[in-house]
Amino acid sequence: GAVVSQHPSRVICKSGTSVKIECRSLDFQATTMFWYRQFPKQSLMLMATSNEGSKATYEQGVEKDKFLINHASLTLSTLTVTSAHPEDSSFYICSATYLAVGETQYFGPGTRLLVL
Amino acid sequence: DAKTTQPPSMDCAEGRAANLPCNHSTISGNEYVYWYRQIHSQGPQYIIHGLKNNETNEMASLIITEDRKSSTLILPHATLRDTAVYYCISYNNAGNMLTFGGGTRLMVKP
Repeated sequence: GAVVSQHPSRVICKSGTSVKIECRSLDFQATTMFWYRQFPKQSLMLMATSNEGSKATYEQGVEKDKFLINHASLTLSTLTVTSAHPEDSSFYICSATYLAVGETQYFGPGTRLLVL
Repeated sequence: DAKTTQPPSMDCAEGRAANLPCNHSTISGNEYVYWYRQIHSQGPQYIIHGLKNNETNEMASLIITEDRKSSTLILPHATLRDTAVYYCISYNNAGNMLTFGGGTRLMVKP
């Protein structure tokens, strides 16, 4: 149990385009999902916390108008990188938790974004 | 969330036990100790977590000192597939936010 998927696993796009990444909890309802970014040889950095049906909470330094997060259902959250630039190239990972408090976070396999 | 410190890297011989230490001297009473690992180019994988008592599951054992200021993750019989970066995280349930440090890069060698 507790499987989280992401789609796509890898995407290459031209500078200026927008890219949508999906995160799904396959066998549980996730009231909270998290989006992380990881640059090469670095640790994961939390970008935002997303609760179903409400606006995402962004970490300091993360532009909410550039990284649009939608958490429309208990099993799906999407991250849209708008007007992507080469510096947005990174490994984007989502995680999801059961219910609200005190539950383990389960991570998706990640999406590697390369912006040319 | 409390900060954790881990050695940046460790080696272990295949088939031997891998003991990964973690210091969390500023951990507070309601913070759990969580361990994840990340194999190259994959998302982190949950391993185990605990509050006060030692824990064991099919993947590993977690030994937490009585004062809760440090812990050790034990992989009883390391295999080559256990080569990964292991993250020790102290996690405030109410905050519901994981903060990843640098982790320990474990290299299991034949």
